[in-house]
Amino acid sequence: NAGVTQTPKFRVLKTGQSMTLLCAQDMNHEYMYWYRQDPGMGLRLIHYSVGEGTTAKGEVPDGYNVSRLKKQNFLLGLESAAPSQTSVYFCASSYGLAGRSSYNEQFFGPGTRLTVL
Amino acid sequence: AQSVTQLDSQVPVFEEAPVELRCNYSSSVSVYLFWYVQYPNQGLQLLLKYLSGSTLVKGINGFEAEFNKSQTSFHLRKPSVHISDTAEYFCAVSSPPPGGSYIPTFGRGTSLIVHP
Repeated sequence: NAGVTQTPKFRVLKTGQSMTLLCAQDMNHEYMYWYRQDPGMGLRLIHYSVGEGTTAKGEVPDGYNVSRLKKQNFLLGLESAAPSQTSVYFCASSYGLAGRSSYNEQFFGPGTRLTVL
Repeated sequence: AQSVTQLDSQVPVFEEAPVELRCNYSSSVSVYLFWYVQYPNQGLQLLLKYLSGSTLVKGINGFEAEFNKSQTSFHLRKPSVHISDTAEYFCAVSSPPPGGSYIPTFGRGTSLIVHP
Protein backbone atom coordinates (compact mmCIF):
# COMPACT_ATOMS: atom_id res chain seq x y z
CA ASN A 1 0.00 0.00 0.00
CA ALA A 2 1.27 3.46 -0.90
CA GLY A 3 -0.92 5.12 1.74
CA VAL A 4 -1.45 8.80 0.98
CA THR A 5 0.49 10.32 -1.90
CA GLN A 6 0.69 13.95 -3.00
CA THR A 7 1.67 15.45 -6.35
CA PRO A 8 3.76 17.54 -6.86
CA LYS A 9 6.28 17.67 -4.00
CA PHE A 10 7.49 21.19 -4.81
CA ARG A 11 6.14 24.02 -6.92
CA VAL A 12 6.96 27.67 -7.54
CA LEU A 13 4.22 29.90 -8.95
CA LYS A 14 3.97 33.52 -9.94
CA THR A 15 1.20 35.65 -8.49
CA GLY A 16 -2.00 35.10 -10.45
CA GLN A 17 -1.10 31.67 -11.81
CA SER A 18 -3.30 28.67 -11.15
CA MET A 19 -2.47 25.13 -10.15
CA THR A 20 -3.97 21.91 -8.83
CA LEU A 21 -2.55 19.72 -6.09
CA LEU A 22 -3.47 16.06 -6.27
CA CYS A 23 -3.94 13.77 -3.30
CA ALA A 24 -4.52 10.04 -3.67
CA GLN A 25 -5.16 7.34 -1.06
CA ASP A 26 -5.42 3.58 -1.48
CA MET A 27 -6.95 2.70 1.92
CA ASN A 28 -10.60 3.08 0.88
CA HIS A 29 -11.02 5.93 3.34
CA GLU A 30 -14.22 7.96 3.31
CA TYR A 31 -12.84 11.20 4.76
CA MET A 32 -10.14 13.30 3.13
CA TYR A 33 -8.67 16.63 4.19
CA TRP A 34 -6.46 19.44 2.97
CA TYR A 35 -4.35 21.40 5.46
CA ARG A 36 -1.82 24.15 5.24
CA GLN A 37 1.08 24.40 7.65
CA ASP A 38 2.75 27.71 8.39
CA PRO A 39 5.40 28.48 11.03
CA GLY A 40 3.84 29.01 14.44
CA MET A 41 0.33 28.36 13.13
CA GLY A 42 0.19 24.58 13.29
CA LEU A 43 -2.13 22.82 10.85
CA ARG A 44 -5.11 24.72 9.54
CA LEU A 45 -7.92 22.93 7.75
CA ILE A 46 -8.69 24.32 4.29
CA HIS A 47 -11.40 21.97 3.00
CA TYR A 48 -12.48 18.45 3.70
CA SER A 49 -14.66 15.73 2.23
CA VAL A 50 -16.75 13.10 4.01
CA GLY A 51 -17.33 11.02 0.89
CA GLU A 52 -17.18 10.88 -2.88
CA GLY A 53 -18.89 13.88 -4.43
CA THR A 54 -19.03 15.88 -1.19
CA THR A 55 -16.86 18.75 0.04
CA ALA A 56 -17.03 21.23 2.89
CA LYS A 57 -15.17 24.34 4.03
CA GLY A 58 -12.69 24.24 6.83
CA GLU A 59 -11.06 27.01 8.81
CA VAL A 60 -9.25 28.82 5.96
CA PRO A 61 -11.07 28.07 2.66
CA ASP A 62 -10.74 31.45 0.89
CA GLY A 63 -8.74 31.32 -2.34
CA TYR A 64 -9.02 27.53 -2.66
CA ASN A 65 -11.41 25.11 -4.31
CA VAL A 66 -11.61 21.33 -4.05
CA SER A 67 -13.18 18.40 -5.81
CA ARG A 68 -13.74 14.75 -4.88
CA LEU A 69 -14.95 13.11 -8.06
CA LYS A 70 -13.45 9.73 -7.13
CA LYS A 71 -13.29 8.28 -3.64
CA GLN A 72 -9.54 7.82 -3.76
CA ASN A 73 -8.66 11.33 -5.03
CA PHE A 74 -9.01 14.78 -3.51
CA LEU A 75 -7.90 17.78 -5.55
CA LEU A 76 -7.00 21.22 -4.21
CA GLY A 77 -7.08 24.10 -6.67
CA LEU A 78 -5.67 27.60 -6.52
CA GLU A 79 -7.35 29.70 -9.21
CA SER A 80 -5.22 32.82 -8.80
CA ALA A 81 -2.25 32.27 -6.51
CA ALA A 82 -1.18 34.94 -4.02
CA PRO A 83 2.03 35.23 -1.96
CA SER A 84 -0.07 34.60 1.18
CA GLN A 85 -0.64 31.08 -0.13
CA THR A 86 3.04 30.24 0.18
CA SER A 87 2.93 27.29 2.54
CA VAL A 88 3.36 23.55 2.96
CA TYR A 89 0.18 21.71 2.05
CA PHE A 90 -0.73 18.36 3.56
CA CYS A 91 -3.41 15.95 2.54
CA ALA A 92 -4.80 13.42 4.99
CA SER A 93 -7.43 10.70 5.01
CA SER A 94 -9.35 8.70 7.61
CA TYR A 95 -12.02 6.02 7.77
CA GLY A 96 -14.86 8.23 8.93
CA LEU A 97 -18.36 6.99 9.60
CA ALA A 98 -18.54 4.17 7.06
CA GLY A 99 -15.51 2.26 8.23
CA ARG A 100 -13.82 1.78 11.56
CA SER A 101 -15.21 5.08 12.67
CA SER A 102 -14.36 4.65 16.32
CA TYR A 103 -10.71 5.11 15.51
CA ASN A 104 -10.66 7.90 12.95
CA GLU A 105 -6.94 8.49 13.12
CA GLN A 106 -5.64 10.43 10.16
CA PHE A 107 -3.03 9.26 7.68
CA PHE A 108 -0.96 12.05 6.16
CA GLY A 109 0.81 12.50 2.87
CA PRO A 110 4.40 13.79 2.64
CA GLY A 111 3.38 17.35 1.78
CA THR A 112 3.69 19.82 -1.09
CA ARG A 113 5.91 22.84 -0.61
CA LEU A 114 4.42 25.75 -2.58
CA THR A 115 6.06 29.12 -3.09
CA VAL A 116 4.18 31.99 -4.70
CA LEU A 117 6.36 34.85 -5.91
CA ALA B 1 -16.78 24.07 19.49
CA GLN B 2 -13.58 22.26 20.33
CA SER B 3 -10.10 23.71 20.70
CA VAL B 4 -6.59 22.59 21.63
CA THR B 5 -3.87 24.53 23.40
CA GLN B 6 -0.29 23.33 23.40
CA LEU B 7 1.25 25.31 26.19
CA ASP B 8 4.85 25.27 24.98
CA SER B 9 5.94 26.18 21.48
CA GLN B 10 9.44 24.85 22.07
CA VAL B 11 10.88 22.40 24.61
CA PRO B 12 14.67 21.96 24.77
CA VAL B 13 15.96 18.95 26.68
CA PHE B 14 19.17 16.98 27.01
CA GLU B 15 19.46 13.44 25.74
CA GLU B 16 18.34 10.75 28.23
CA ALA B 17 16.36 13.29 30.28
CA PRO B 18 12.60 12.93 30.78
CA VAL B 19 10.21 15.19 28.90
CA GLU B 20 6.59 16.27 29.12
CA LEU B 21 4.74 18.06 26.33
CA ARG B 22 1.56 19.69 27.54
CA CYS B 23 -1.81 19.71 25.82
CA ASN B 24 -5.12 21.10 27.07
CA TYR B 25 -8.39 20.88 25.20
CA SER B 26 -11.88 22.26 25.43
CA SER B 27 -14.99 20.51 24.22
CA SER B 28 -18.58 20.32 25.33
CA VAL B 29 -18.96 16.67 24.32
CA SER B 30 -17.00 13.44 24.61
CA VAL B 31 -13.63 13.48 22.91
CA TYR B 32 -11.04 11.44 21.13
CA LEU B 33 -7.48 12.66 21.67
CA PHE B 34 -4.41 12.15 19.54
CA TRP B 35 -0.70 12.96 19.50
CA TYR B 36 1.06 13.10 16.15
CA VAL B 37 4.77 13.50 15.41
CA GLN B 38 6.29 15.26 12.42
CA TYR B 39 9.95 14.66 11.65
CA PRO B 40 11.74 17.28 9.52
CA ASN B 41 10.43 17.50 5.96
CA GLN B 42 7.89 14.74 6.49
CA GLY B 43 4.16 14.39 7.03
CA LEU B 44 2.55 13.67 10.37
CA GLN B 45 2.29 10.18 11.82
CA LEU B 46 0.26 8.95 14.76
CA LEU B 47 2.09 8.50 18.08
CA LEU B 48 -0.86 7.45 20.20
CA LYS B 49 -4.56 7.97 20.72
CA TYR B 50 -7.15 7.96 23.48
CA LEU B 51 -10.63 6.80 22.54
CA SER B 52 -12.01 5.39 25.79
CA GLY B 53 -11.07 3.11 28.69
CA SER B 54 -7.71 3.34 30.46
CA THR B 55 -6.59 6.92 30.87
CA LEU B 56 -2.92 5.98 30.43
CA VAL B 57 -2.17 5.38 26.78
CA LYS B 58 1.06 3.94 25.45
CA GLY B 59 2.29 4.73 21.98
CA ILE B 60 5.22 4.13 19.70
CA ASN B 61 8.85 4.97 20.44
CA GLY B 62 8.36 4.80 24.23
CA PHE B 63 5.91 7.68 24.48
CA GLU B 64 2.83 7.66 26.67
CA ALA B 65 0.07 10.11 27.50
CA GLU B 66 -2.46 10.45 30.27
CA PHE B 67 -6.02 11.62 29.76
CA ASN B 68 -7.22 13.77 32.66
CA LYS B 69 -10.87 14.64 32.21
CA SER B 70 -11.14 16.95 35.22
CA GLN B 71 -8.20 19.03 34.03
CA THR B 72 -9.08 18.59 30.33
CA SER B 73 -5.49 17.64 29.61
CA PHE B 74 -3.67 15.03 27.56
CA HIS B 75 0.03 15.49 28.29
CA LEU B 76 2.65 13.49 26.43
CA ARG B 77 5.61 12.01 28.32
CA LYS B 78 8.75 10.03 27.69
CA PRO B 79 11.06 8.95 30.53
CA SER B 80 14.29 9.19 28.50
CA VAL B 81 14.57 10.99 25.16
CA HIS B 82 16.95 10.32 22.29
CA ILE B 83 18.40 12.66 19.71
CA SER B 84 16.10 11.00 17.18
CA ASP B 85 13.04 12.30 19.09
CA THR B 86 13.79 15.80 17.84
CA ALA B 87 10.62 16.69 15.93
CA GLU B 88 7.40 18.69 15.99
CA TYR B 89 4.59 17.22 18.09
CA PHE B 90 0.93 17.97 17.57
CA CYS B 91 -1.99 17.34 19.87
CA ALA B 92 -5.44 16.93 18.28
CA VAL B 93 -9.00 16.47 19.49
CA SER B 94 -12.10 15.22 17.73
CA SER B 95 -15.61 14.38 18.84
CA PRO B 96 -17.90 11.63 17.57
CA PRO B 97 -21.47 12.24 16.46
CA PRO B 98 -24.00 13.36 17.42
CA GLY B 99 -22.16 16.13 19.28
CA GLY B 100 -19.25 16.24 16.85
CA SER B 101 -18.32 15.27 13.31
CA TYR B 102 -15.01 13.40 13.66
CA ILE B 103 -13.24 16.40 12.11
CA PRO B 104 -10.19 16.99 14.31
CA THR B 105 -8.81 20.25 15.62
CA PHE B 106 -5.04 20.54 15.96
CA GLY B 107 -2.89 22.48 18.38
CA ARG B 108 -0.15 24.76 17.08
CA GLY B 109 2.55 22.22 17.79
CA THR B 110 5.49 21.87 20.17
CA SER B 111 9.00 21.66 18.85
CA LEU B 112 11.01 19.15 20.89
CA ILE B 113 14.73 19.79 20.61
CA VAL B 114 16.98 17.13 22.10
CA HIS B 115 20.55 18.20 22.78
CA PRO B 116 23.47 15.75 23.14
